[in-house]
Amino acid sequence: AQKITQTQPGMFVQEKEAVTLDCTYDTSDPSYGLFWYKQPSSGEMIFLIYQGSYDQQNATEGRYSLNFQKARKSANLVISASQLGDSAMYFCAMKGDFNKFYFGSGTKLNVKP
Amino acid sequence: EPEVTQTPSHQVTQMGQEVILRCVPISNHLYFYWYRQILGQKVEFLVSFYNNEISEKSEIFDDQFSVERPDGSNFTLKIRSTKLEDSAMYFCASSESRRVGGYTFGSGTRLTVV
Repeated sequence: AQKITQTQPGMFVQEKEAVTLDCTYDTSDPSYGLFWYKQPSSGEMIFLIYQGSYDQQNATEGRYSLNFQKARKSANLVISASQLGDSAMYFCAMKGDFNKFYFGSGTKLNVKP
Repeated sequence: EPEVTQTPSHQVTQMGQEVILRCVPISNHLYFYWYRQILGQKVEFLVSFYNNEISEKSEIFDDQFSVERPDGSNFTLKIRSTKLEDSAMYFCASSESRRVGGYTFGSGTRLTVV
């Protein structure tokens, strides 16, 4: 069975500091992808970063990096130098050999000025 | 950058009415999907569509739901007789292939059933 777990329903971070959002997953698929999406209050899903299960290096996209630890089945999102505009819901998601996403329950990030 | 376009962005409908949510996937994509997100909850898979037929559906996707690709560009989700619990954000997505990457979500349609 495929499962994504986000254990932090809410997080606070001071502006300009770094924050780590946790994500663990469970899958029996040999090949899979891990994704992070940002959902602002307007509701759209904004793709942030992707990590393939066979990628040797951790993915980075600007201020976003994915701390991928395959043996621990974790794919934490690190946001460096937080900005007020980073306040939103963040969803971790996984897609395997089948063609659908499994999403976590999300983490609401609040960036304080 | 190519986008998946969803219309309308917000729809309000009376309970029991039929509603059609529209999506224009990315033009060279072959796989199409609908997801649902009830307010405050996680995003859930509804259905996937390939080669003009449903390839997979979840237990949520009952007889009240149907999907169609009526022409070469649109992909629609129909709810025949809406219930209050159908109120949610509905996301369309498309992908070029079954490979793990290459998946694009639309910006969503917020459906409110009153």
